[in-house]
Amino acid sequence: GAVVSQHPSWVICKSGTSVKIECRSLDFQATTMFWYRQFPKQSLMLMATSNEGSKATYEQGVEKDKFLINHASLTLSTLTVTSAHPEDSSFYICSATTGNRQYFGPGTRLTVT
Amino acid sequence: TQLLEQSPQFLSIQEGENLTVYCNSSSVFSSLQWYRQEPGEGPVLLVTVVTGGEVKKLKRLTFQFGDARKDSSLHITAAQPGDTGLYLCAGAWAGGGADGLTFGKGTHLIIQP
Repeated sequence: GAVVSQHPSWVICKSGTSVKIECRSLDFQATTMFWYRQFPKQSLMLMATSNEGSKATYEQGVEKDKFLINHASLTLSTLTVTSAHPEDSSFYICSATTGNRQYFGPGTRLTVT
Repeated sequence: TQLLEQSPQFLSIQEGENLTVYCNSSSVFSSLQWYRQEPGEGPVLLVTVVTGGEVKKLKRLTFQFGDARKDSSLHITAAQPGDTGLYLCAGAWAGGGADGLTFGKGTHLIIQP
């Protein structure tokens, strides 16, 4: 089946620094990838839609200048959390589409101290 | 904003009991999916329902899609401790894999031995 990986699995960073999270589709090409955020004990919330070769589409309330998304190839999308703050600590999950199905990555746990 | 109401949010029952989780919306879905998520991992797809009135079975799990495609249910028969986890419903309103999914708040299920 289709496999999506994320790197890193977890990261701890200091407040004010930036962190980059990678999402890769390992055995298929994905023109569209999605980024979700999940706070403890809560569900997944869609942050943005990442389309290869074009600008990402952000959901209402998500700051595009804070969460930079780059989808430079059909197998890689990156999410950069800029000037991270403790309230950005969360579980970030990406998904990649092939056909009509989304395949989810294992998630990245971000802790900002 | 299209909302997906999922209930109950928390459920703790004894091994061997039956349970039902509900997912409702005022909007019509093009498809609805049920996921299970373990702590620290991405969600794993259990089933996709597309046709109104559709019923799908996965061992002791029965998934039903409402005739009007606005609601769905997950029924677990003779629950076992291994069923413990977070169950999420997610709806797609158009475009299948081309759109990000809207998730319900999730049901935290605990099956006590």
